[in-house]
Formats: sequence, C-alpha cells, structure tokens
Amino acid sequence: EVVLTQAPGTLSLSPGERATLSCRASQSVRSNYLGWYQQKPGQAPRLLIYGPSSRATGIPDRFSGSGSGTDFTLTISRLEPEDFAVYYCQQYSGSVYTFGQGTKLEIK
Amino acid sequence: EVQLVESGGGLVQPGESLRLSCAASGFTFSSYAMSWVRQAPGKGLEWVSVISGSGGSPDYADSVKGRFTISRDNSKNTVYLEMNSLRAGDTAVYYCAKVEAIAAVGRGGLKYFRHWGQGTLVTVSS
Repeated sequence: EVVLTQAPGTLSLSPGERATLSCRASQSVRSNYLGWYQQKPGQAPRLLIYGPSSRATGIPDRFSGSGSGTDFTLTISRLEPEDFAVYYCQQYSGSVYTFGQGTKLEIK
Repeated sequence: EVQLVESGGGLVQPGESLRLSCAASGFTFSSYAMSWVRQAPGKGLEWVSVISGSGGSPDYADSVKGRFTISRDNSKNTVYLEMNSLRAGDTAVYYCAKVEAIAAVGRGGLKYFRHWGQGTLVTVSS
C-alpha cells in the first residue's frame, strides 16, 4: 500500500503569501497523478486538483499541482483569507485509495 | 447539480450493526462508482469502501474488510454501507463520495472523489 506523508503538518502564513504544501509517497505513484482536497471546519472535503494539474470546477487559478514519482506539491500562489483550511493529498493504486494525513494552513 | 445526502448515522454499542444510506441526484447514478470515506473526530480522511456503477467489484479497506458491506440500488439512486461488529475505532463522520477517473496513458490513472455528501456521524460507545 502506498503511504502518503504530507509536510509540514502545520503551515503558518499571511494573506498574500505563497504556500507550498508537500506530499511524499512511500513508493512511486505509477500514474504520476494525485488528487488534492481542501477541508474547512465542519464541512465536507472539496476537490481542488486532480490528475497532473487539472483544477476542479470553480477552483481559482491560484491553486496548482505538480510533481511526479514520489514527490508532489500543491501551490497556492497568493493566499486569500478563505484559503486557510486543511489540505489532503490522495492517490489510487492496486484498488486502494489512500490519503495523506493533512496539512493545516493557518493564518500567521 | 450533484447532490449526495447521507443518512442512518447514530449512537450504537460495540458489536452492534448500522446501515448507512446515501441518496444521489443530479447525475446518471449507474454510470459512476460510489465510495464511502470516513473521518474520525479530529483526524484525517480514511477511505472505507467503493462499488462500481453496476454494483460489482466492491473493495474495502483492510480495517473494515469482513465487517462492512457496500451495496447499491440503481433504481433508487442510493448506495448503502452495512456495518457489522462495530468497534469504538469505527466512530467517525462517514462521507459518501462520487468517484471519477482520469487515465494516464500507459501508466494506469487516478480515481478520485469529485463530489461529497455532508456526512453522517456514527458513534460507537457503551
């Protein structure tokens, strides 16, 4: 089973700054594709990015995904107040879906 | 508009059973695999189970294999999760999610969760 490890656990930044969230896989992700989700308190997760770097409907272009093999990154180019939330990466292989443990993006 | 509405959660004692339902609308239900994902209080997301659009090929996380059963009724646009022998560790919000896929030529692909329900809370406690 592929284990996803996200770093950092908590990221403290200010609005307007750039956020870089890491997701590392325990073995190479054959497809080179991940999903990224955003979750705010009391809400269901929301799909942000899927595949190489396709944004889900309504997701602004300040969100982008990149990476291959075992190292993947979610970048938020300029943080808006509504972007402070928890972010999860997700992969699929061998009929198993796995999530990273999450990165909490908090206001500094 | 895609809508997924879960129901059936509640408080049960260890060893008891519960059946969750997820009513779907806004898309051709039988064309999509459906999945359950759970989130224990204050914890991250954990995939639980998935079922294909036709109702075949169910898969389960090791943590629930042999205790949980996923099924669907395409005439009712509903997916179910039958949970038996419940344990304290099964306490979580259970989300229903619509599965979509993107192919990576020659490299398999990604299955991901495009739409989510609001979740239903299952509490296992004596």
